[in-house]
Amino acid sequence: GEDVEQSLFLSVREGDSSVINCTYTDSSSTYLYWYKQEPGAGLQLLTYIFSNMDMKQDQRLTVLLNKKDKHLSLRIADTQTGDSAIYFCADYNDYKLSFGAGTTVTVRA
Amino acid sequence: DVKVTQSSRYLVKRTGEKVFLECVQDMDHENMFWYRQDPGLGLRLIYFSYDVKMKEKGDIPEGYSVSREKKERFSLILESASTNQTSMYLCASRAGTVNEKLFFGSGTQLSVL
Repeated sequence: GEDVEQSLFLSVREGDSSVINCTYTDSSSTYLYWYKQEPGAGLQLLTYIFSNMDMKQDQRLTVLLNKKDKHLSLRIADTQTGDSAIYFCADYNDYKLSFGAGTTVTVRA
Repeated sequence: DVKVTQSSRYLVKRTGEKVFLECVQDMDHENMFWYRQDPGLGLRLIYFSYDVKMKEKGDIPEGYSVSREKKERFSLILESASTNQTSMYLCASRAGTVNEKLFFGSGTQLSVL
């Protein structure tokens, strides 16, 4: 969506950390989400963060939110081949989610 | 576990045909959504529904209509399919509250020739 932007591609070596970045425009967004889409599948919710939080950690995933800059990031520690997928950032506003274009993450050996 | 089922995985239709894409969810969710997914554009919301017989336009409703006669079923209709409607269509559902998880179907890849 035009209100949520993210880079289209990321290549990372297995075992390294991946960082996927996202910017959004709507300052009234209450929740921000990260979804993962594996080939041939629908989207699965990975994690989310409430807008009054700065950081959320969930096992290998760390979400950072800079509300002032409207910047959201997802860090995946110890990236594995199973992490290869498209990752979508989304914000919730006015009853619906607006998605970014998706970042295709490729994990190389 | 919640299941969102889209009736077809692949569909091939001709220009001008009327096309129905069906979506069924089994968790009594109030909200249902239709998105289309195109490379480089991500997901764009076509229509959504927050109750039976209720519908709201999303960001790109032109050329589409929807029907929600029963709570579990949300249909997307292309009245006269065109080649620029070739896309992956994703249905999703969610319970009523804000932070409930959005569950997606596996998608229908529609090709309009």
